[in-house]
Amino acid sequence: NAGVMQNPRHLVRRRGQEARLRCSPMKGHSHVYWYRQLPEEGLKFMVYLQKENIIDESGMPKERFSAEFPKEGPSILRIQQVVRGDSAAYFCASSPPRQRGFTGELFFGEGSRLTVL
Amino acid sequence: DAKTTQPPSMDCAEGRAANLPCNHSTISGNEYVYWYRQIHSQGPQYIIHGLKNNETNEMASLIITEDRKSSTLILPHATLRDTAVYYCIVREANRDDKIIFGKGTRLHILP
Repeated sequence: NAGVMQNPRHLVRRRGQEARLRCSPMKGHSHVYWYRQLPEEGLKFMVYLQKENIIDESGMPKERFSAEFPKEGPSILRIQQVVRGDSAAYFCASSPPRQRGFTGELFFGEGSRLTVL
Repeated sequence: DAKTTQPPSMDCAEGRAANLPCNHSTISGNEYVYWYRQIHSQGPQYIIHGLKNNETNEMASLIITEDRKSSTLILPHATLRDTAVYYCIVREANRDDKIIFGKGTRLHILP
């Protein structure tokens, strides 16, 4: 059973370009979380999605950032018109549906590192 | 905001037990204690969780005080590969909610 897959692992963009980060959750997982980690800082929650629904986007910047988790395919975190301050590691995590026996743990991918020149 | 308090850093000699404390004085009755760690540049990794009983798995042991206001993660024989930031988190297991990470404890294993 493959783990959470994130791609690209490294992405370089110039200011003003768009960045698209993809996250394929573990098989059978229907919940996806995105976190951002600035250099030498902690993990900051951005958004929590279930299939086709945004459950909590309280950590998302109001402008330029969007996320989706379509019925088919990976979850996408999209950053428009990137600025240098967007340079960070973006981690995705997934968890299974809430059902009997769910232990509450999240499974993380290895992250996508965005560098904005 | 995170509902836990952890020391910012700790050192431990290789081969010794690493004991990482966590205070969660406002924990509610249906909240579990979870521990994750993040090895440099990698994604966070789940370690262990518990409600009120002590727990042990192949990675670590979790000791929760009787009043549940604090806990200790124990790595019984620390190795250099255990150098990481360790996060203590409290949350309800079956709640549809985000996980908030605090600053964690940066554990240095010394050769």
